[in-house]
Amino acid sequence: AQKITQTQPGMFVQEKEAVTLDCTYDTSDPSYGLFWYKQPSSGEMIFLIYQGSYDQQNATEGRYSLNFQKARKSANLVISASQLGDSAMYFCAMREGRGYSTLTFGKGTMLLVSP
Amino acid sequence: GAGVSQSPSNKVTEKGKDVELRCDPISGHTALYWYRQSLGQGLEFLIYFQGNSAPDKSGLPSDRFSAERTGGSVSTLTIQRTQQEDSAVYLCASSLDGRETQYFGPGTRLLVL
Repeated sequence: AQKITQTQPGMFVQEKEAVTLDCTYDTSDPSYGLFWYKQPSSGEMIFLIYQGSYDQQNATEGRYSLNFQKARKSANLVISASQLGDSAMYFCAMREGRGYSTLTFGKGTMLLVSP
Repeated sequence: GAGVSQSPSNKVTEKGKDVELRCDPISGHTALYWYRQSLGQGLEFLIYFQGNSAPDKSGLPSDRFSAERTGGSVSTLTIQRTQQEDSAVYLCASSLDGRETQYFGPGTRLLVL
């Protein structure tokens, strides 16, 4: 089974609207972390937001927020007030365990923001 | 401060040649990672360094791939006898330690003809 599932290959949104990018995960470890990265056409992976499995509150970073629903094992990224510069690939990733763990990435969602 | 840097940005090589890819992590980051991203795919983990040692090499696809890290800083990923299926973007990331957020470099785009 895939550890990270991103079911939306592509999403379209109009500028200034909000958009939700879906991510579900699979782990039996009670300690884990969830990350979202943005990859514009330039190729660099840009860290956006992090949610720990024990965090009580949903993470927020500026226009980015993470809708963390632990029982459903989902960690959706919400981008408010979309901007043209938000057009990019978005990857959800997970780190498992308390010690070292590599990141497991989903296949990504391509977001296109139109004027 | 400076982010993760990688060189070269692009590399075109002929099948059978060896290539070296370089990564300079963020200063003070003890953990360093190499990933590979094939066209339209997610990221595939290759190897993890903590300091100069590599406790996790599980992602290296074959013995043609090797990596080293010196002085707890710069890392080099070497691919020997390159094959066309090695064509991909090779991304390096670093973090304060093996659990903290990973920050990525701009990648090296490798094309094997």
